[in-house]
Amino acid sequence: KQEVTQIPAALSVPEGENLVLNCSFTDSAIYNLQWFRQDPGKGLTSLLLIQSSQREQTSGRLNASLDKSSGRSTLYIAASQPGDSATYLCAVSGGSNYKLTFGKGTLLTVNP
Amino acid sequence: DTEVTQTPKHLVMGMTNKKSLKCEQHMGHRAMYWYKQKAKKPPELMFVYSYEKLSINESVPSRFSPECPNSSLLNLHLHALQPEDSALYLCASSRQGIVLSGNTIYFGEGSWLTVV
Repeated sequence: KQEVTQIPAALSVPEGENLVLNCSFTDSAIYNLQWFRQDPGKGLTSLLLIQSSQREQTSGRLNASLDKSSGRSTLYIAASQPGDSATYLCAVSGGSNYKLTFGKGTLLTVNP
Repeated sequence: DTEVTQTPKHLVMGMTNKKSLKCEQHMGHRAMYWYKQKAKKPPELMFVYSYEKLSINESVPSRFSPECPNSSLLNLHLHALQPEDSALYLCASSRQGIVLSGNTIYFGEGSWLTVV
C-alpha cells in the first residue's frame, strides 16, 4: 500500500527566504506526482504536476523535482512571500486511473 | 476557465434532514470526484464518476448518495447523517482519469457541512 510522508509538518520562515518542502513515497511505481496548495477552509489548488518520466517542473517561483527511484519529491519556493502561507499537499497516483494518495501536508507560514 | 463550482458553501442540517450538495464544471472533463476532508487531514476519496457512470465507491455509507445527471453536474444527496459526517466536502474533476495523459485534477472550493 502506497504511503506518502511530508516533512516538515509545519514550517515558519521570514519573508524573502528560499525554502524546500519534502515529500516521500514508499512505492516508486507511480504515474505522476502533484503538489497542491490549500488555504484555510478552502479547496485545493494544483500547483505543479510531474509525470513519472519527468525530473522537474517549474512555475514562476515554484520548482518541483521528482526522483522516482528514491521515492522523493521536493517543492522549492524562491523568495517566499506572506501570500505563500498555506498548507502544501503532495499526492501521487499509481495503480488506479482515478486515485490519489495524499500526504498529510506541510503548513507553511511566511512572516512579514 | 478552470473552475469547479460547488454550492452551497455552508450547510447545517439535522440528522433527519435530506439535503444535497451540488458541483458543476464546464471544462469538458469526463471524470468527476467527491472527496471528504476533516480538519487537519488530507482529502479522502468517496466516489468517482467516469463518463457519467459510477466507477468507484470507496465503501461509503448509503446515507451518502451520489448522482451524475450529465457530464457537467455532480450531486451528493445526504440523508440521515451523523454528527461525525461534519466535514469539508470537495468536488473535483479531470479530463479523463488522473493517470491518462497526466491529467491535472481540479478541485472546487468545497462545501462545509455541519450535522447537528
